[in-house]
Amino acid sequence: DTGVSQNPRHKITKRGQNVTFRCDPISEHNRLYWYRQTLGQGPEFLTYFQNEAQLEKSRLLSDRFSAERPKGSFSTLEIQRTEQGDSAMYLCASSLDLSPLEQFFGPGTRLTVL
Amino acid sequence: DQQVKQNSPSLSVQEGRISILNCDYTNSMFDYFLWYKKYPAEGPTFLISISSIKDKNEDGRFTVFLNKSAKHLSLHIVPSQPGDSAVYFCAAAGINGNQFYFGTGTSLTVIP
Repeated sequence: DTGVSQNPRHKITKRGQNVTFRCDPISEHNRLYWYRQTLGQGPEFLTYFQNEAQLEKSRLLSDRFSAERPKGSFSTLEIQRTEQGDSAMYLCASSLDLSPLEQFFGPGTRLTVL
Repeated sequence: DQQVKQNSPSLSVQEGRISILNCDYTNSMFDYFLWYKKYPAEGPTFLISISSIKDKNEDGRFTVFLNKSAKHLSLHIVPSQPGDSAVYFCAAAGINGNQFYFGTGTSLTVIP
């Protein structure tokens, strides 16, 4: 399967713990996006990487959230000191510079904060 | 502040008939508009897009119409098939495609 993969698929954690999610984009895709989706809502943009550079970051993203893409391939999203309001589906998507509109989404990581 | 809105949470259509999904936006600076389809337990799948300089784009059974003066776009599916049953998201982006804004989705059910 050469699509976008995300790990883990599900994560349950206690409030105050740190969590890290991983996204592996389609191999030749240089653009990578992170989104958050809560029940009844559409995906909400969090951040965007072009290769290893983080070029856009939502102003809604608190300083407890950090994302990296160190070698321009896989990316990680870390949430520190999780809160119950962080419970959501975290989606990763990738695309090519030549066709940036055609994003390919992964299946998401569902986070539950108890 | 929701810049892209889908005011119909659900829609039911008979197989073979036309499905029309609607979307409104508030930011006149958007350059591209997109539709995604989402099945349960999967990520959204890109369906079709339209540039702000066009008013129509067609791809097989799917046609997107853009009315810039009304800040409104719609997705037409003709003929509708049971496999089209999914949640459809409308999205908008600027010219560089660095940031995408999604609507809340419309759940389409095509009745056999």
